[in-house]
Amino acid sequence: KQEVTQIPAALSVPEGENLVLNCSFTDSAIYNLQWFRQDPGKGLTSLLLIQSSQREQTSGRLNASLDKSSGRSTLYIAASQPGDSATYLCAVRRVGNTPLVFGKGTRLSVIA
Amino acid sequence: DTEVTQTPKHLVMGMTNKKSLKCEQHMGHRAMYWYKQKAKKPPELMFVYSYEKLSINESVPSRFSPECPNSSLLNLHLHALQPEDSALYLCASSPSIYRPGNTGELFFGEGSRLTVL
Repeated sequence: KQEVTQIPAALSVPEGENLVLNCSFTDSAIYNLQWFRQDPGKGLTSLLLIQSSQREQTSGRLNASLDKSSGRSTLYIAASQPGDSATYLCAVRRVGNTPLVFGKGTRLSVIA
Repeated sequence: DTEVTQTPKHLVMGMTNKKSLKCEQHMGHRAMYWYKQKAKKPPELMFVYSYEKLSINESVPSRFSPECPNSSLLNLHLHALQPEDSALYLCASSPSIYRPGNTGELFFGEGSRLTVL
C-alpha cells in the first residue's frame, strides 16, 4: 500500500528565504506526482505535476524534483513571500487508473 | 478554462434533511471525484466516476449518494447525515489517463463547507 510522508509538518521562515519541502513515498511504481497548495478553508490549487518519466518541473519561483528510485520529491520555493503562507500537499498516483494518495501536508508560514 | 465549480459554498442542514452538493467542469475531463476533508487533515477519497460510471466507492455510508448525470456534472446527494459528517467536501476532475498524452492532473474546486446540526 502506497504511503506518502511529508516533512516537516510545519515550517516558519522569514520573508525572502529559499526553502525546501520534502515528500517521500513507499512504492516507486508511480504514474505521476502532484504538488498542491491549500489556503485555510479553501480548495486545492495544483502547483506542479511531474510525470514518472520526468526529473523536475518549474513554474515561476517553484521547482519540483522527482527521484523515483529513492521515492522522494522536493518542492523548492525561491525568495519566499508572505503570500506563500499555506499548506502544501504532495500526492502520488500509482500506475494504473488509481486515485491519488496524499501526504498530510506541510503548513508554511512566511513572516514579513 | 481550468475551473471546477462547486455549489453551494456553505450548507447547514439538520440530520433529517435531504440536500445536494453540485460540481461542474467544462474541461472535457472524463474522471470526476468526491473528496471529504476534515480540519488539518488531507483529503480523503469518497467516490470516483470514470466516463460517467462509478468506478470507485471507498466504502462510503449510503447516506451519501453520488450521481453523474453527464460528463460535466457531478452531484452528491445527502440524507440523514450525522454531525461527524461536517467537513469540507471537495470535487475534482482530471483527464482520463487511459488516453495517451493525458497527464492525469487533478483540478479541484473550492469546496462546499457542510455543517450538520
